[in-house]
Amino acid sequence: DTAVSQTPKYLVTQMGNDKSIKCEQNLGHDTMYWYKQDSKKFLKIMFSYNNKELIINETVPNRFSPKSPDKAHLNLHINSLELGDSAVYFCASRAQGGPTQYFGPGTRLLVL
Amino acid sequence: QQQVKQSPQSLIVQKGGISIINCAYENTAFDYFPWYQQFPGKGPALLIAIRPDVSEKKEGRFTISFNKSAKQFSLHIMDSQPGDSATYFCAASMGANAGNMLTFGGGTRLMVKP
Repeated sequence: DTAVSQTPKYLVTQMGNDKSIKCEQNLGHDTMYWYKQDSKKFLKIMFSYNNKELIINETVPNRFSPKSPDKAHLNLHINSLELGDSAVYFCASRAQGGPTQYFGPGTRLLVL
Repeated sequence: QQQVKQSPQSLIVQKGGISIINCAYENTAFDYFPWYQQFPGKGPALLIAIRPDVSEKKEGRFTISFNKSAKQFSLHIMDSQPGDSATYFCAASMGANAGNMLTFGGGTRLMVKP
């Protein structure tokens, strides 16, 4: 039973395209996150989102936008993809009142 | 500006030895300090975590030591095993007011030799 799942696992696309990555959690958590892991393995927060509030890391370009159709899903939409967007993107979720974040398996994005 | 600095970048330890990874942070508003373990091709998984009001926390072979005055914390893996070979990340967060977002260190690639 996968707690936090992401689709697709791999995504190869051309520069300039628009793409979405989907995330679903079946933990009943209230808050979800997107992180980016670059080629040097450095992990960086992109967004924090619950049904009340979106917190955006100020360094994230506005080509990136989170979209949440319901509490269990937080999708990441990326416009006008650039070479530098190539990375592994991780979704995570957290229960209200607790600090622990549970990560998904990652989506490996390659922009050509 | 990297708010959480982690060292070493890589570490090789013999089976049965002690692995030690260190982290230092800048922001005194951080109030939660987890360590994550990541295997190749997988997402990070919580290993152990500590709050700044505690100086040490032990879970099995894994221990966090926390020095609030020095703004440093470390992970000790006792009796290291080949199965512990992974990348380890320290992290810090500022609580609900900042969305509990994690700021990660740069990671340490640990290899435990049989």
